[in-house]
Amino acid sequence: QVQLQESGPGLVKPSGTLSLSCDVSGGSISTDWWSWARQPPGKGLEWIGEIHESGATAYKPSLRSRVIISMDKSKNQFSLKLRSVTAADTAVYYCAREGKAYVPGDIWGQGTMVTVSS
Amino acid sequence: QSALTQPPSASGSPGQSVTISCTGTSSDVGAYDYVCWYQQYPGKAPKLIIHDVSKRPSGVPDRFSGSKSGNTASLTVSGLQAEDEADYYCSSYADNAFYVFGSGTKVTVL
Repeated sequence: QVQLQESGPGLVKPSGTLSLSCDVSGGSISTDWWSWARQPPGKGLEWIGEIHESGATAYKPSLRSRVIISMDKSKNQFSLKLRSVTAADTAVYYCAREGKAYVPGDIWGQGTMVTVSS
Repeated sequence: QSALTQPPSASGSPGQSVTISCTGTSSDVGAYDYVCWYQQYPGKAPKLIIHDVSKRPSGVPDRFSGSKSGNTASLTVSGLQAEDEADYYCSSYADNAFYVFGSGTKVTVL
């Protein structure tokens, strides 16, 4: 079955760029939509954006100016870059597969904690 | 882009039912039959338990059911079990092609 695993630095400096990757195993990334979401400590979930195997993307409007989601089919992975980060971007970041239409994630990675601090 | 509104907490005794509401707007919950519900245990990833308002993925017990009326969706957990104690989040597709999550509800089994 499809499994997802996030990876990347756990600490990012303020004003820097947060960069995460999501490795997909047990299935091809060349199908479906793939998304990123986050959850600040003790708070609720927030959808960040998504990418289709065609390269099409969609982002949460309030984050659109700072986010880029990309895909590397040769590595069967997709990535998240969030620039100009502040402490408010501290969260557990999840990648997910959108295997069902209009569902922001039917299979999720375990999540990775990213702290923004100097 | 505000989060969908859920009650912070809900509770019930084993065997009882609990219903969680999820209130949005005419731009999200009220506009589309694309409401999902997720169950999340502490320190774990969310698990999809309802999609398309009332459909259960394979393996999800039929104790979980969903519905929608106007701008409000609901999740009912019937026959509460100890293992149902978790956080629950709703989500909805919204205008301008993005998703919005609910504020989350902590369900306690008394």
